[in-house]
Amino acid sequence: DAGVIQSPRHEVTEMGQEVTLRCKPISGHNSLFWYRQTMMRGLELLIYFNNNVPIDDSGMPEDRFSAKMPNASFSTLKIQPSEPRDSAVYFCASSPGTGGSTGELFFGEGSRLTVL
Amino acid sequence: AQSVTQLGSHVSVSEGALVLLRCNYSSSVPPYLFWYVQYPNQGLQLLLKYTTGATLVKGINGFEAEFKKSETSFHLTKPSAHMSDAAEYFCAVSDPLSGGYNKLIFGAGTRLAVHP
Repeated sequence: DAGVIQSPRHEVTEMGQEVTLRCKPISGHNSLFWYRQTMMRGLELLIYFNNNVPIDDSGMPEDRFSAKMPNASFSTLKIQPSEPRDSAVYFCASSPGTGGSTGELFFGEGSRLTVL
Repeated sequence: AQSVTQLGSHVSVSEGALVLLRCNYSSSVPPYLFWYVQYPNQGLQLLLKYTTGATLVKGINGFEAEFKKSETSFHLTKPSAHMSDAAEYFCAVSDPLSGGYNKLIFGAGTRLAVHP
């Protein structure tokens, strides 16, 4: 079975440009998470969705960041405008759901973003 | 709010030696606890988890962890290290009451090096 699929794997852009990261969760999973990983701050939960609805976006750094989940098989994380401090690896993860779920997240391989 | 502390950002062991990675948590209620492993340029994958029941849990690749409520600890061990165990290990906690089962808070990670 296909795992969580993220694209692009690598993105290099210039400050001020818009960046869109994409995620396809595992089919049948109804919870989706976006994490950011940096050396300084470790793994930070940015936002998570349940049944396509954002449940908790308290980790989203600022208004430059936005996330959507238009359907059960696709999510985007957008940064506009991007800044050098946004450079990080962004992970998407999915989970079977909240009902009876015990917290096993399935991670994608990440999107490494470099903002010059 | 719950939090996770991993003691030691880097641990180095000899091949065949005991592996001990330390994790302490704080939570308002008995939490669910997890260990994830991250190999270079990959996403995280679940090693093991504690939800309820037996406090000694066994995971993949010969790892195990013991939940000690009195010490608020969930240390990860493996009797004999293998070169392939070199990776970064993350302890995580979820608080079913405040964040839901799926909202995991990760520790800063411990990088395990195994030398011949």
